[in-house]
Amino acid sequence: AQSVTQLGSHVSVSEGALVLLRCNYSSSVPPYLFWYVQYPNQGLQLLLKYTTGATLVKGINGFEAEFKKSETSFHLTKPSAHMSDAAEYFCAVRRGGGSQGNLIFGKGTKLSVKP
Amino acid sequence: GAGVSQTPSNKVTEKGKYVELRCDPISGHTALYWYRQSLGQGPEFLIYFQGTGAADDSGLPNDRFFAVRPEGSVSTLKIQRTERGDSAVYLCASSLGVSPDTQYFGPGTRLTVL
Repeated sequence: AQSVTQLGSHVSVSEGALVLLRCNYSSSVPPYLFWYVQYPNQGLQLLLKYTTGATLVKGINGFEAEFKKSETSFHLTKPSAHMSDAAEYFCAVRRGGGSQGNLIFGKGTKLSVKP
Repeated sequence: GAGVSQTPSNKVTEKGKYVELRCDPISGHTALYWYRQSLGQGPEFLIYFQGTGAADDSGLPNDRFFAVRPEGSVSTLKIQRTERGDSAVYLCASSLGVSPDTQYFGPGTRLTVL
């Protein structure tokens, strides 16, 4: 079975400050891990993904995440927050390898950016 | 190119009525997924198609929910005898069907059952 826990349903940062959104996963098999962003009244947009290989993954809009197997974590970071980063962020996991299958999402973290 | 599209964007219905929600995947994508997102929650898996067949329908909550994809492209999610608890945003995603199988999401259909 797989699951995702996102710590903090709401995170608030000042513009220019570091963004850190936490995600821990549980998986009995090697996972694929994803971060999606959802802007108000829009669909989910893929920010970045980890499948295999390099554990530090860079995504769009300056975001990156590091897969840490020993900590079962995949935290999302951005060095300097911008007002346009305000949105809801979802971490997701699915089975790795050649199989396909559905994503299992966390409950999401709403990011607010203060001017 | 065009992304995943869903129609209608909003649907209001009365308890007990039947509704159909449509998803047009990205052209060439063989895999199609339906998810449901309730207020304040992450999306929850409903059903997954590979081609025309349902590869995994374990997320459908009960037999009032049914989905089809007759020609391996457009899919329709059908809900019979709607209940107020069915109110949610229904999301569709598609992927190439080849690992690592990145899923691309549509904007969703907001269903409100009065």
